Order: sequence, then C-alpha cells, then structure tokens
Amino acid sequence: AQSVTQLGSHVSVSEGALVLLRCNYSSSVPPYLFWYVQYPNQGLQLLLKYTSAATLVKGINGFEAEFKKSETSFHLTKPSAHMSDAAEYFCAVSDGNNDMRFGAGTRLTVKP
Amino acid sequence: GAVVSQHPSRVICKSGTSVKIECRSLDFQATTMFWYRQFPKQSLMLMATSNEGSKATYEQGVEKDKFLINHASLTLSTLTVTSAHPEDSSFYICSARDGGQGAGEAFFGQGTRLTVV
Repeated sequence: AQSVTQLGSHVSVSEGALVLLRCNYSSSVPPYLFWYVQYPNQGLQLLLKYTSAATLVKGINGFEAEFKKSETSFHLTKPSAHMSDAAEYFCAVSDGNNDMRFGAGTRLTVKP
Repeated sequence: GAVVSQHPSRVICKSGTSVKIECRSLDFQATTMFWYRQFPKQSLMLMATSNEGSKATYEQGVEKDKFLINHASLTLSTLTVTSAHPEDSSFYICSARDGGQGAGEAFFGQGTRLTVV
C-alpha cells in the first residue's frame, strides 16, 4: 500500500521568501504523485502532478516539485511567497489503481 | 479542467434526521468517485470508494449503514448520512478521477459543511 508523509504540519514564511513544503512517499510500484491546495471551506485544487515523465514538474501559481526516487521525495517549492499562497497543502500518491492517499497536510502561513 | 459539483455546500440538520449530499461530474464520466471526511485542521480521511452500478467499498472503521452511498449513474454519486448525530458534524468532500487510473488527477467538489444540532 502506498502512503505519503508530510514533514511539518505548519510552515511560516515571509512574503517574498522561498517556500519549501516537504513530502516523502512510500510505494511498492512506481508512484504517481500530486500536490493539492485547499483554501478555507473549499475543495482541493490540483497544483501539479508527477506521472513518470520529467522529474521536475511545474504547476500553477509558480509552484514546482521535483521527484527524487533515491530520496523517495516530492517536495513542493516556490521561489517567492505571496500572501495569496496562504492555504493548506496536501501531497498525495496513487498507484496504478484508482486509490489515492493523502498526507496529513501542511498549513502555509505567509507573513507580510 | 474537469468539474465536480457538490451540493449542498452547507447543511444544518437536527439530530436523528438524514442528510443527502450529491456529487456530480459535470463534463466527464466517472465510474469511480471517492468520499472523504475532513475534521478541522486535519487531512482528508477516505471514507469510501463509490463504484457506478455496484456497491461502494468502505474503508475500515466507516459504518456502511450509517453512511449510505449510491452511484446510480456515471455522473452522480450520493452520500446519505443516516440518523445523524452531532459527532457526524464535519466537512465532507467528494472527488472523481478523470483520464483513467493511476495518473489521472482527482477533481474535487467544493465540499459540504454538515452541522448536526
């Protein structure tokens, strides 16, 4: 069975600073990996996904993530944080079936 | 991208009554939909996988008689919380995957905030 671990339930950065949200996965088969963002009282919106093509994946809103098989990681980054990036971020993993499992989430706070 | 519509967005009901939540895929067919429950400031907990034309697959610890799921068509799945109690108050989210298994991303409804009083 696959799973993901998000290190850090809460990350706080200053506006304009680098954003780094960590995600490590466990999967017995080559995984498909996803990052989603959730704003208060809303569903989840896909930021980006890794599907075994390029290891560096670019997503919406300036976010990107790099798949590192040797480290079983798929960390999410953004060079310069914006106030509007404050939200909950979820990493998810899927195997070849329909099942998708989510990490515990990381709440990003952006300080002015 | 594909759209999943969930209704209602908010519902308040009395203890002991039942509440139905609808999840529709608007521009694609979803043979499988997923129902999640989310507690405040926590992650999504998969409750069940809804399969069109067959019985839902429930996760361990989820009461199937409590949370009734029906997936009568390729675009509609419903979750009915039966005999609701205050502890059932939560945020419920549905999702559907487009583009097949594995690599297909999941599209989420906007969620339903259920409050049982």
